[in-house]
Amino acid sequence: DAMVIQNPRYQVTQFGKPVTLSCSQTLNHNVMYWYQQKSSQAPKLLFHYYDKDFNNEADTPDNFQSRRPNTSFCFLDIRSPGLGDAAMYLCATSRDLSSDRREQYFGPGTRLTVT
Amino acid sequence: RKEVEQDPGPFNVPEGATVAFNCTYSNSASQSFFWYRQDCRKEPKLLMSVYSSGNEDGRFTAQLNRASQYISLLIRDSKLSDSATYLCVVTYNTNAGKSTFGDGTTLTVKP
Repeated sequence: DAMVIQNPRYQVTQFGKPVTLSCSQTLNHNVMYWYQQKSSQAPKLLFHYYDKDFNNEADTPDNFQSRRPNTSFCFLDIRSPGLGDAAMYLCATSRDLSSDRREQYFGPGTRLTVT
Repeated sequence: RKEVEQDPGPFNVPEGATVAFNCTYSNSASQSFFWYRQDCRKEPKLLMSVYSSGNEDGRFTAQLNRASQYISLLIRDSKLSDSATYLCVVTYNTNAGKSTFGDGTTLTVKP
């Protein structure tokens, strides 16, 4: 089945220790998104890629970076995790950005704990 | 004021009840609208796209009112398995790719 895969599902890192979360998709979608979701809150968009074009949200901290080496993979790098970065990180894809192709399909998420 | 607002609930209803959720949005340039369902500690899953003419999928009906800038979701004959958080999502044509999620409405269906 075509899907969005995230690894690892659970990640524990130490305060200040860089961590990378990965996402892959078999849907061949053009757009990949990274969201941060904290308990009882809406998912918050960090950035997205349309093909190789990177779009950063204005309020995304510099501590968060992303790479998309090819259509299938996208990575979220947190350079110096703080306690406030503990959250669920969700990767999503959409076929395109046109109005009839913008349904997003989410991976299962990576739950990040910072100690 | 938030760009997308939902009544957080919780809505506690008995099985078989009909329940409706509303979601208001502030940006009139909004282009596409969706309802997602999110179970506890799981990822959001697309429930329905919302079309201008309204659309129905089994027990679920979605409506869009552009003049008043709200969308709605109606669930008929509620099942225990409908218990979840329902997220309203709005995308804009002025900021390519940006989708804004509401905080969600929590529904609990009880026997």
